[in-house]
Amino acid sequence: DIQMTQSPSTLSASVGDRVTITCRASQSISSWLAWYQQKPGKAPKLLIYKASSLESGVPSRFSGSGSGTEFTLTISSLQPDDFATYYCQQYNSYSGLTFGGGTKVEIK
Amino acid sequence: EVQLVESGGGLVKPGGSLRLSCAASGFTFSNAWMSWVRQAPGKGLEWVGRIKSKTDGGTTDYAAPVKGRFTISRDDSKNTLYLQMNSLKTEDTAVYYCTTDAIPRGYCSSTSCYTPFDYWGQGTLVTVSS
Repeated sequence: DIQMTQSPSTLSASVGDRVTITCRASQSISSWLAWYQQKPGKAPKLLIYKASSLESGVPSRFSGSGSGTEFTLTISSLQPDDFATYYCQQYNSYSGLTFGGGTKVEIK
Repeated sequence: EVQLVESGGGLVKPGGSLRLSCAASGFTFSNAWMSWVRQAPGKGLEWVGRIKSKTDGGTTDYAAPVKGRFTISRDDSKNTLYLQMNSLKTEDTAVYYCTTDAIPRGYCSSTSCYTPFDYWGQGTLVTVSS
């Protein structure tokens, strides 16, 4: 299986901050990477697919970049609604669709 | 509006069985590829398995930890997805989510498609404990 490693595991930030989360794959996945946001007690929500494509209805302050083995999710100006846990997911193959361990964005 | 509503979760002893259901509405269920994703308490997300639409063969794929114990099926006449879980282990304790495979956002090889998940249910909790 392809292993996905996110960093940091926890991030403390203030409203208005620029936030960057990194996801690394154990082997190349081209651009087949998605990002999700999950709030406590709720299902995950798809934010980004194909590394940099914004899902319909997702605010433009969210952006994704990267290819191969290194990817980033950036929130350009953190809003109160953005405090949540974020997961990356590779979908390069069904040898195992795998998720990263998550990054919790907390209020500083 | 797309809706996915899971049911059937509960407390079961190790070695026992449980069947989860997912009632779908708001889209053409028979055309959809569907997956189950689980989340152990306080942990990350884990893909469990997937079933293709009958038009695309209706075949299934499973993650290694559940292969041979879990079976995914569908009843298109009832717009319902199922997850039959047998030989349950304590490590199967999790919230189980029903999801739709976002085919247009993935990529397809000659044999299959690999996708993110665009719609999710609210989840149902399965607790395996003696």
